[in-house]
Amino acid sequence: QLQLQESGPRLVKPSETLSLTCTVSGGSISKNSYYWGWIRQPPGKGLEWIGSMYYSGSTHSNPSLKSRVTISVDTSKNQFSLKLTSVTAADTAVYFCCQGDSPVDPWGQGTLVTVSS
Amino acid sequence: EIVLTQSPGTLSLSPGERATLSCRASQSVSSYYLAWYQQKPGQAPRLLIYGASSRATGIPDRFSGSGSGTDFALTISRLEPEDFAVYYCQQFGNSLTFGGGTKVEIK
Repeated sequence: QLQLQESGPRLVKPSETLSLTCTVSGGSISKNSYYWGWIRQPPGKGLEWIGSMYYSGSTHSNPSLKSRVTISVDTSKNQFSLKLTSVTAADTAVYFCCQGDSPVDPWGQGTLVTVSS
Repeated sequence: EIVLTQSPGTLSLSPGERATLSCRASQSVSSYYLAWYQQKPGQAPRLLIYGASSRATGIPDRFSGSGSGTDFALTISRLEPEDFAVYYCQQFGNSLTFGGGTKVEIK
């Protein structure tokens, strides 16, 4: 059974870069022909797709975030990562890593990242 | 970008009642790329329905999805206590978007 787990700093300062890693267990990133992606949810609000990356390297991302988002895959570690630059308080959210784009399944448990000085 | 509008925002029902949730798209969506999720407080969303009408593994048959084009629906035939939650529809066309959610609360 595929499981995903997010890790990374819980507190990021404004204007800095948010960096998260998702570790995949129970299956290989490079064997599954899926997109691997990130979705976030500000406290008390709805879901927002950030972007996805195919294991071979092609990516697509939310147009509203595209200029700040980098998603990469490390097949040797069975991990993929998110970098979001120039963060503001509006980027405070629970960040979920996930497999697939339609449908999105499974999801990691999520990690709350707070942007604050 | 395709905008998904869910209605109602909140649905107040009693256990045993039928729930019908609506998801309307700003332009036509391929049924293949329409999914529904359930989210409970403090948890990640859980996939319920994919391809507009196919139940995900382990999802009870009281959950059903329907629709095509711009109008989709999720129906819960008889609400169980564990079904009170927030539900989101999602599509993937040239971008991935979610609806704003419908909260199903106990009346």
